[in-house]
Amino acid sequence: DVKVTQSSRYLVKRTGEKVFLECVQDMDHENMFWYRQDPGLGLRLIYFSYDVKMKEKGDIPEGYSVSREKKERFSLILESASTNQTSMYLCASISSRVNTEAFFGQGTRLTVV
Amino acid sequence: LAKTTQPISMDSYEGQEVNITCSHNNIATNDYITWYQQFPSQGPRFIIQGYKTKVTNEVASLFIPADRKSSTLSLPRVSLSDTAVYYCLVALGGYNKLIFGAGTRLAVHP
Repeated sequence: DVKVTQSSRYLVKRTGEKVFLECVQDMDHENMFWYRQDPGLGLRLIYFSYDVKMKEKGDIPEGYSVSREKKERFSLILESASTNQTSMYLCASISSRVNTEAFFGQGTRLTVV
Repeated sequence: LAKTTQPISMDSYEGQEVNITCSHNNIATNDYITWYQQFPSQGPRFIIQGYKTKVTNEVASLFIPADRKSSTLSLPRVSLSDTAVYYCLVALGGYNKLIFGAGTRLAVHP
């Protein structure tokens, strides 16, 4: 039973391209997150959203933007992809209730050439 | 937001008990402590969560001392399939901004 779905498992883009990574959750969660994961660095938060049209920067927002027009969908946008944005990107969602768990997508491995 | 500190890596052998400790000195009154497990090329998945004392489920136990400034994830009788990265998170109850650290890379050997 898939709960968080990322649009692509693998993606190869060229430097300078505009890239869209899509994430959809079916649990009616208020909060959604985008992370990137690089070897030895764990998960680093790029952006998160706690409601439709609301967003906040995470630890590494530079070079990224996000869009949340509907509650179930959270998009990560690379305005002009660069090679240093080659990474694994993970989407997550979590309810705002107390004592809950987060659910993650399967990840998108993006390569920028 | 509370910052967490965990060992970078640990090694164990099949059948042993593994304890991974996480420090979170600045934990707030409403924060919960949650542990996640991540296998290569997959997203993290929830293992266990607690607020104080001890919590146990079918896969792990979580020990939280009275001051809540640390927590210990205990994996009983590990197997090779427990080889993974384990993350400790501290998050506000009711508003969950999830900040992950680097995690602990556990390697289980035959």
